[in-house]
Amino acid sequence: EVQLVESGGGLVQPGGSLRLSCAASEFTFSSYDMNWVRQAPGKGLEWVSSITSGGITYYADSVKGRFTTSRDNSDNTLYLQMNSLRGEDTAVYFCAKDGGVRGILGTLDIWGQGTMVTVSS
Amino acid sequence: EIVLTQSPATLSLSPGERATLSCRATQSVGNYLAWYQQKVGQAPRLLIYDASNRATGIPARFSGSGSGTDFTLTINSLEPEDFAVYYCQQRSHWPLTFGGGSKVEMK
Repeated sequence: EVQLVESGGGLVQPGGSLRLSCAASEFTFSSYDMNWVRQAPGKGLEWVSSITSGGITYYADSVKGRFTTSRDNSDNTLYLQMNSLRGEDTAVYFCAKDGGVRGILGTLDIWGQGTMVTVSS
Repeated sequence: EIVLTQSPATLSLSPGERATLSCRATQSVGNYLAWYQQKVGQAPRLLIYDASNRATGIPARFSGSGSGTDFTLTINSLEPEDFAVYYCQQRSHWPLTFGGGSKVEMK
């Protein structure tokens, strides 16, 4: 069964850093684009970042310059390095596999269960 | 940025009834629109992609339609497990954006 498992969330102070991981299994990770999506408590979904199979990255304006997405295809793992964290970054962070529909990024067909990040002093 | 507006915010229905959810975009997204279902405490699940294509394993009671700026998700004959929040999402333009969600609750 295709699976994504996030880890690395927790409580961090404003201005701090955190690195999230997303372990992928049962699919050819290196062939697929991947995404990060977050959901603040009680709120809707917000796209955060995407990375293509070739390593090209895209970011929401709200995180650009502070967050970095990377991938290790040898280890089937997606990462989100989060620096200069703010209270408004508090959310559940989901990683999601891209379905690669018609070769255009943005169809999120498999999601992990999410990891909670709380930014608070 | 393309803004997606979903309506209604909440829909109260009984099992067996039909749910009709709307998603309107501020500019054309072609047919690059997806629908997701999210239950409390769970990750979203892809239901429909490219406006009208059911994702793998999605029951036939779920259908999507529309193009351009106006889209509809229809759930025929609601089952108890269909009561959830539904989000639309476009991939026509960066950044990817989601609608605010529509909650289908049991009457």
